[in-house]
Amino acid sequence: SAVISQKPSRDICQRGTSLTIQCQVDSQVTMMFWYRQQPGQSLTLIATANQGSEATYESGFVIDKFPISRPNLTFSTLTVSNMSPEDSSIYLCSVWTSGRHEQFFGPGTRLTVL
Amino acid sequence: AQKITQTQPGMFVQEKEAVTLDCTYDTSDQSYGLFWYKQPSSGEMIFLIYQGSYDEQNATEGRYSLNFQKARKSANLVISASQLGDSAMYFCAMREGLGYGQNFVFGPGTRLSVLP
Repeated sequence: SAVISQKPSRDICQRGTSLTIQCQVDSQVTMMFWYRQQPGQSLTLIATANQGSEATYESGFVIDKFPISRPNLTFSTLTVSNMSPEDSSIYLCSVWTSGRHEQFFGPGTRLTVL
Repeated sequence: AQKITQTQPGMFVQEKEAVTLDCTYDTSDQSYGLFWYKQPSSGEMIFLIYQGSYDEQNATEGRYSLNFQKARKSANLVISASQLGDSAMYFCAMREGLGYGQNFVFGPGTRLSVLP
């Protein structure tokens, strides 16, 4: 199984600022994803982080608000830009490992926007 | 329309008893995968079990089994011999088609509480 770490684990931010979340995997993976989990809700896919090209965003999510980088096969970042209280959520990165059906998740980043 | 339905917002079970968490899904794809994840209060997502649409036998992983009824489009999770540590949110999820991770949707979840 893949071991995934995320930084920071939690943060409290002011409205209008930006936060960059890092996701590091202990092995090379083809597919990396970013999810949002709003309080008391299920997970919603934000985007697929593509290595060497622009991320693929799901409906309702845009690059200006959630820019994503994926410089190599083990690392990705998600930035939450110009934050508002509605952005308060848990943000999780996930990966698919080749040849297996499991999607592994990082421990998540708990973001609170005041 | 909801792709994944979990009709039980909350469930209670006595320790050491078995419990079934319901999940129904909606897809027109022939190839799909069904997943169950556990999310304790710490927030991490823990993979429990996977069932492929072409798998003829129900998946099992330790105390977890998946009751797959393809014609009814249901994929219920059965936890045998419940433990206090099983108290958590449980999410049913589906991957449609052959994509890895893309087209991956989660249900609303069921909160399971195991009583001593």
